[in-house]
Amino acid sequence: AAGVIQSPRHLIKEKRETATLKCYPIPRHDTVYWYQQGPGQDPQFLISFYEKMQSDKGSIPDRFSAQQFSDYHSELNMSSLELGDSALYFCASSLVGVRGNEQFFGPGTRLTVL
Amino acid sequence: RKEVEQDPGPFNVPEGATVAFNCTYSNSASQSFFWYRQDCRKEPKLLMSVYSSGNEDGRFTAQLNRASQYISLLIRDSKLSDSATYLCVEQRRVRGGTSYGKLTFGQGTILTVHP
Repeated sequence: AAGVIQSPRHLIKEKRETATLKCYPIPRHDTVYWYQQGPGQDPQFLISFYEKMQSDKGSIPDRFSAQQFSDYHSELNMSSLELGDSALYFCASSLVGVRGNEQFFGPGTRLTVL
Repeated sequence: RKEVEQDPGPFNVPEGATVAFNCTYSNSASQSFFWYRQDCRKEPKLLMSVYSSGNEDGRFTAQLNRASQYISLLIRDSKLSDSATYLCVEQRRVRGGTSYGKLTFGQGTILTVHP
């Protein structure tokens, strides 16, 4: 079965640079979520989109923005990168109303900021 | 205090053992509950949803007690491949909306199954 696709899988950036992470949800899924997982931490919710509209927002820095496009893929844009932004970034997708809105995670993008 | 609290672990058990993980949540508005497993540096993978009536999937049994705000996961006949971090997760509806919202994770419990 098709899974969530994320690209790139690994990304190395310098401080103050920008980064764009991409997420392709499972086909027919209408909701996308972004999570950040720092070393030794549990995943923390950043932002979500339902039917291309922002549906919920968590502890996402103002330096980050995201959107969901007409084909349902989503991008997380990160500017003025800081050392503390180094983390695993997961995208998850779900289909509203199906099995309690189970979320399925992509393999993640490992961002390293030097 | 975290919204979802888990046994700190780690749990170190022999193959074939039965092991139980417990989890409590603080927000009575929580609507859906899940157990995920996460292998080192990999994505969380949905193990099972947790229903009030309890549910079983092979060697795994999950229970939810809404009155006590308590969730459990029982693994029977442990296999080496069960070694992972187990994450207790809750979910609420988006405030003012109809869709479900973010997942809130517990800190995870590490399980190591040894020969």
